[in-house]
Amino acid sequence: DQQVKQNSPSLSVQEGRISILNCDYTNSMFDYFLWYKKYPAEGPTFLISISSIKDKNEDGRFTVFLNKSAKHLSLHIVPSQPGDSAVYFCAASAPRGSTLGRLYFGRGTQLTVWP
Amino acid sequence: DSGVTQTPKHLITATGQRVTLRCSPRSGDLSVYWYQQSLDQGLQFLIQYYNGEERAKGNILERFSAQQFPDLHSELNLSSLELGDSALYFCASSVGTGAETQYFGPGTRLLVL
Repeated sequence: DQQVKQNSPSLSVQEGRISILNCDYTNSMFDYFLWYKKYPAEGPTFLISISSIKDKNEDGRFTVFLNKSAKHLSLHIVPSQPGDSAVYFCAASAPRGSTLGRLYFGRGTQLTVWP
Repeated sequence: DSGVTQTPKHLITATGQRVTLRCSPRSGDLSVYWYQQSLDQGLQFLIQYYNGEERAKGNILERFSAQQFPDLHSELNLSSLELGDSALYFCASSVGTGAETQYFGPGTRLLVL
């Protein structure tokens, strides 16, 4: 049962434009969300996170938005750069102290940024 | 560099064999997580250890086992290997347990022939 879903397997964006990656989740117990970036033959690299008490978190070119009522989050990259080309994974975690503290991952979205 | 190390980077073995994957967490992290990434699957959680004790179990086969040692490094043991066990195995670590950022190692690519 996929509790975190990334419905777009791929996204192609021109350099300088905005990239928007989307993620939906089904478990209302999730209260911490993360985005990871992954290059081939490397481990996932942490990008940005957001707690359920916020609806937006920004770090440089990366902004994550959380809509709890819709159980939806998105990652905005502005401006997109060719070096951003990678697979982006959305992940979610349940409250501290719970055995559900592990991360649940979406299947990833391949972002390609072209010049 | 996340600070999480994994060895070996690549492993080729035959069906029926047993292998051990090793992970050293970031300095100060007490939790270690193991994940499997197959070609047709996303990252699947296998098991979590916190300060030497098993904390949570995911979709881990009975042929697989893990442990975390007093120095906090962890080993994942895979036995009676099958072709379908071929995958990338990632280790991650975090300070505590629960809702916090996990940092991933570079992974071990296992190929079972």
